[in-house]
Amino acid sequence: ETGVTQTPRHLVMGMTNKKSLKCEQHLGHNAMYWYKQSAKKPLELMFVYNFKEQTENNSVPSRFSPECPNSSHLFLHLHTLQPEDSALYLCASSQDLGRNGGELFFGEGSRLTVL
Amino acid sequence: SQQGEEDPQALSIQEGENATMNCSYKTSINNLQWYRQNSGRGLVHLILIRSNEREKHSGRLRVTLDTSKKSSSLLITASRAADTASYFCATGGATNKLIFGTGTLLAVQP
Repeated sequence: ETGVTQTPRHLVMGMTNKKSLKCEQHLGHNAMYWYKQSAKKPLELMFVYNFKEQTENNSVPSRFSPECPNSSHLFLHLHTLQPEDSALYLCASSQDLGRNGGELFFGEGSRLTVL
Repeated sequence: SQQGEEDPQALSIQEGENATMNCSYKTSINNLQWYRQNSGRGLVHLILIRSNEREKHSGRLRVTLDTSKKSSSLLITASRAADTASYFCATGGATNKLIFGTGTLLAVQP
């Protein structure tokens, strides 16, 4: 139990479907992140939220739409995805975004397969 | 880019041996962190070393940082089969926006 819970753990969707990934952290952190992990590539930072405000959008296609209703919850809404979007999507949180920011706490990830 | 690059990409050793992984990065940093990932799971933080530190220990882990060479190393002593995982370095700059490398896949044979 890492304190960061992601659901679902596995998701298979067609290119025309709409689905959402959910992340919840129970650590009282102020910053939350979405990362994408594809085979043989470095983790890609997608979005960063601090006190539920988006502070970073790393040129992510608009078919990925994040939502952060409060500091404890983070969603990633998915629509009209492409097969190359198949990957492990990791949510993480940290105490804040400060210069001497500490460790990230990751969830177990949502394995997404786009058919 | 501050992206870390780990070396080697893959490492296979026998239980009881030491494992050393290296990380190089390109720009100035505030801190460098090492994470571990078991296959298909989330990442787990191992250790953080700040830019003004040169060496840090945590249990069987030893991390060094050479900011003049923009490099770090992670040493796992007396390895165990349970240490089998991917290990990533991540660099932190002005904010806590960590940039991760591609990782080293460590296999410890029992």
